[in-house]
Amino acid sequence: EADIYQTPRYLVIGTGKKITLECSQTMGHDKMYWYQQDPGMELHLIHYSYGVNSTEKGDLSSESTVSRIRTEHFPLTLESARPSHTSQYLCASSEGLGRGPQHFGDGTRLSIL
Amino acid sequence: AQKVTQAQTEISVVEKEDVTLDCVYETRDTTYYLFWYKQPPSGELVFLIRRNSFDEQNEISGRYSWNFQKSTSSFNFTITASQVVDSAVYFCALSEAGQETSGSRLTFGEGTQLTVNP
Repeated sequence: EADIYQTPRYLVIGTGKKITLECSQTMGHDKMYWYQQDPGMELHLIHYSYGVNSTEKGDLSSESTVSRIRTEHFPLTLESARPSHTSQYLCASSEGLGRGPQHFGDGTRLSIL
Repeated sequence: AQKVTQAQTEISVVEKEDVTLDCVYETRDTTYYLFWYKQPPSGELVFLIRRNSFDEQNEISGRYSWNFQKSTSSFNFTITASQVVDSAVYFCALSEAGQETSGSRLTFGEGTQLTVNP
């Protein structure tokens, strides 16, 4: 069982609010990722990090930002939430090169009213 | 650029039937890794298997089996004697070996929704 945790599990919030989605892992993995996924659809990589103080944008453009100040913590922030941000956000981590599987958290289902 | 194609968007079977989920991939690397994940209705992604490009041996784990064929760039997943609890979206994914300083990213297929009816 992978030890990667996301909070909150569900969030319903109004437009214009600042939101931070939390992601923590206790496996000491250097690499962490954020994906955005609409229900039943493919996953889109929006941010990734290969270590502390390293962050990169993914394949899908996103208005969110991330930070990686500690190995275990990779929060995602939306400064001003909009209905178009409604989606599921999945955090993952992995070790090593591509050979390591990515372990996923349970996801945050975000709904912006 | 790497690409993963899961041509079957939805599959519906009756319990105890065998079902095969197809996955075809494209990559220019000679070293790469293939994965299958399961996403039940609760939304989390569950890692099922990893295969590296040098190991074409088929693998069986209980009712699950995987057929990796480099000649056709396919990595198909078969569930034998399906059960209702197998109902989920299944994703195939590809990762190239990458470099130590930059690592590598997963490219996911679009997923196959499997419904197993009682």
